[in-house]
Amino acid sequence: GAVVSQHPSWVICKSGTSVKIECRSLDFQATTMFWYRQFPKQSLMLMATSNEGSKATYEQGVEKDKFLINHASLTLSTLTVTSAHPEDSSFYICSAKNPGTGKNQPQHFGDGTRLSIL
Amino acid sequence: AQTVTQSQPEMSVQEAETVTLSCTYDTSENNYYLFWYKQPPSRQMILVIRQEAYKQQNATENRFSVNFQKAAKSFSLKISDSQLGDTAMYFCAFMTSGNTPLVFGKGTRLSVIA
Repeated sequence: GAVVSQHPSWVICKSGTSVKIECRSLDFQATTMFWYRQFPKQSLMLMATSNEGSKATYEQGVEKDKFLINHASLTLSTLTVTSAHPEDSSFYICSAKNPGTGKNQPQHFGDGTRLSIL
Repeated sequence: AQTVTQSQPEMSVQEAETVTLSCTYDTSENNYYLFWYKQPPSRQMILVIRQEAYKQQNATENRFSVNFQKAAKSFSLKISDSQLGDTAMYFCAFMTSGNTPLVFGKGTRLSVIA
């Protein structure tokens, strides 16, 4: 079964509203989670690294005031797209690794959130 | 910085045939991990196979195998006995250590034709 849960799976909203996306690790504690964005027919691009109890680390070109990340607990990271506009429409996906597993174990991905801004 | 290159944007293969997807990468690290992910139309990221750089033996998972050439920094995926359900985007990915983000290639869209 899924070990990383992402919610919602699809959201449509008006331009100017803020949208919150949740990423939960279901049966492990994740001190670090990653947020990726994927535009149609493109690859996954890392947006930011979410660190429990501290500030997120954003990739170059990603506006931290636009994409607010909160990792308030060991099982939950949230990404809030503030004042969303049509150009923010994309597929957002999170991932996390179970720190209790070996170094070679892969990250677990959520099922992603399709965000459509009208 | 690490980079991953997939030079084949699209490929097609007849059902039951074999196909090889190419991937090269660039890194100065000696220890790292390589992955192939499948992304079907549902857009779920599904791990297909993984390889540790310190292992010389090529990884295999049923119909999926890799040809890992560390010196050439090459990591190709071979799919044998292709099935219609293999139709998807395939991403090659690189990771340096246990809890670092994945770096993805641009992907190869594979179509399996009946």
